[in-house]
Amino acid sequence: LAKTTQPISMDSYEGQEVNITCSHNNIATNDYITWYQQFPSQGPRFIIQGYKTKVTNEVASLFIPADRKSSTLSLPRVSLSDTAVYYCLVGPAEGYNKLIFGAGTRLAVHP
Amino acid sequence: DTGVSQDPRHKITKRGQNVTFRCDPISEHNRLYWYRQTLGQGPEFLTYFQNEAQLEKSRLLSDRFSAERPKGSFSTLEIQRTEQGDSAMYLCASSRLGDAQETQYFGPGTRLLVL
Repeated sequence: LAKTTQPISMDSYEGQEVNITCSHNNIATNDYITWYQQFPSQGPRFIIQGYKTKVTNEVASLFIPADRKSSTLSLPRVSLSDTAVYYCLVGPAEGYNKLIFGAGTRLAVHP
Repeated sequence: DTGVSQDPRHKITKRGQNVTFRCDPISEHNRLYWYRQTLGQGPEFLTYFQNEAQLEKSRLLSDRFSAERPKGSFSTLEIQRTEQGDSAMYLCASSRLGDAQETQYFGPGTRLLVL
């Protein structure tokens, strides 16, 4: 499974847009890009998944360039409650898939 | 859909004792996964069930660890002769075979502290 690299930590302020970039140079043709969010003492929560171009849902947007070697999770107008660890994963969307997590990006949102 | 549930949420035990954790997946989810997470790290895969069959085990799952899913519904993870290094959060996730984009849904985890 492709390895991902993302910043260890980021800081932001309430109301700002936050963009977290993930590198996955060895992504395979059938791999999707998935982002999870994890609050302290809770299990990871699925945020968004995409294959190419742009995907948007009620929580976030995911931008994927044509070469798919990186992706950017965009959180619009963050609030204090968005303080969490964000994980970028790549792997096949269909079928059995043991998720391979890195250390993630610790996002701290300040008042 | 009540989500994935895990019991207990917290467990403190003494080294050498046995512990058992339970996971109830989302109903109709036939795939079930166990992960372990230590402080500051992302979750690490332990084992995977499809229905009642355990199809993969990580090398992290030593002989002291055993997992079951006897009727293809809930699952248990037992750790025998616990060691301090077993202290971690144990997470369970489930997904449904055949979904177009098979998302794994995680439970709240069981936090184990071995003294």
